[in-house]
Amino acid sequence: AQKVTQAQTEISVVEKEDVTLDCVYETRDTTYYLFWYKQPPSGELVFLIRRNSFDEQNEISGRYSWNFQKSTSSFNFTITASQVVDSAVYFCALSERAAGNKLTFGGGTRVLVKP
Amino acid sequence: DTGVSQDPRHKITKRGQNVTFRCDPISEHNRLYWYRQTLGQGPEFLTYFQNEAQLEKSRLLSDRFSAERPKGSFSTLEIQRTEQGDSAMYLCASSLPASAHNEQFFGPGTRLTVL
Repeated sequence: AQKVTQAQTEISVVEKEDVTLDCVYETRDTTYYLFWYKQPPSGELVFLIRRNSFDEQNEISGRYSWNFQKSTSSFNFTITASQVVDSAVYFCALSERAAGNKLTFGGGTRVLVKP
Repeated sequence: DTGVSQDPRHKITKRGQNVTFRCDPISEHNRLYWYRQTLGQGPEFLTYFQNEAQLEKSRLLSDRFSAERPKGSFSTLEIQRTEQGDSAMYLCASSLPASAHNEQFFGPGTRLTVL
């Protein structure tokens, strides 16, 4: 069964600090995808990044970067130089190709960026 | 087409009443997913469609819940004899076929309050 764990429930930082969100997953499938979604106070889930199980290359996209390590089943996400608008709940999610690509979400990490 | 839309955005009902929610996916997306999110939790998968076919239903989807996607376009989620435990945000998402891109794009959700 697939499972996603986000151990951090809330992180508070001051603007311009970097913030790293941890995500650990469990899956039996060899083909799977990992995602990060952002849920601002308005409530709508916003897709941020996707990674497939065959590509462990870590990348940077603007102020976002991620660290995917299959050996530790982790998919961590970093926001560099945080801004107040980054305040939201961030969800890590997993989908397995064998399971119709439905998403299994972690419990979320609330990020509060103070000015 | 600006994205996934859901109607209504808010619904307050009395216990025992029936409610129906509608989701309009992004037009070229043939997969449509329903999730439920309770306060402080990550979204949980309920069911999904590929075109008009309902391919999977979660154990969370009791027999009081029914979902349809009659023409492979919009979908409805009906809850019969609502209970207070049904109070949650109901999220709809759509995606392209799994063989292409499979990031899911979410609508704004319908917040249900059962009194």
